[in-house]
Amino acid sequence: AQSVTQLDSHVSVSEGTPVLLRCNYSSSYSPSLFWYVQHPNKGLQLLLKYTSAATLVKGINGFEAEFKKSETSFHLTKPSAHMSDAAEYFCVVSEPQKLVFGTGTRLLVSP
Amino acid sequence: KAGVTQTPRYLIKTRGQQVTLSCSPISGHRSVSWYQQTPGQGLQFLFEYFSETQRNKGNFPGRFSGRQFSNSRSEMNVSTLELGDSALYLCASSNHRELTEAFFGQGTRLTVV
Repeated sequence: AQSVTQLDSHVSVSEGTPVLLRCNYSSSYSPSLFWYVQHPNKGLQLLLKYTSAATLVKGINGFEAEFKKSETSFHLTKPSAHMSDAAEYFCVVSEPQKLVFGTGTRLLVSP
Repeated sequence: KAGVTQTPRYLIKTRGQQVTLSCSPISGHRSVSWYQQTPGQGLQFLFEYFSETQRNKGNFPGRFSGRQFSNSRSEMNVSTLELGDSALYLCASSNHRELTEAFFGQGTRLTVV
């Protein structure tokens, strides 16, 4: 079975500073990996996806993630945080016919 | 292009009752999957349908069931509701046989009292 581990339950940054949300995966084959964001009382929005093409993936709202097979990592980054980035972020791996979610990282952005 | 639509958005039910939730996928998408989100257990997979066939099922009791219609709309049903069934139920649709990209609805918030 495939799995993902989100290494931080909460991350706090100041507006304008870089964001790093960490995710490690476990997979017996080349995985499809995703980052989703969930704002309060909302559904999940796809930020970006990796499906064995380029290892550096660019997503929406200035986010990007790098797939590193040697480190089994898929960390999410953004150069400069905005107040509107405050939300819960989920690292996700795809198995046949289902998605497996990490436990989530809550991003707090202070002025 | 309309997104994934889930109805109703909010539900309050009493223990022992049953409930049916509906999901209309993005037009042209044939895969619909359901997830339960709770503070304690996070996001857990319930089941997935593709072209009216259930292809995968999560580790939930038989009280949880679902189906998909020929127009790809899906329903899930929970019978004999328990307090622990209170959760946000999310539906996702995909136009790929393998879930290389899935789009989620806003969810149905079920409260069991």
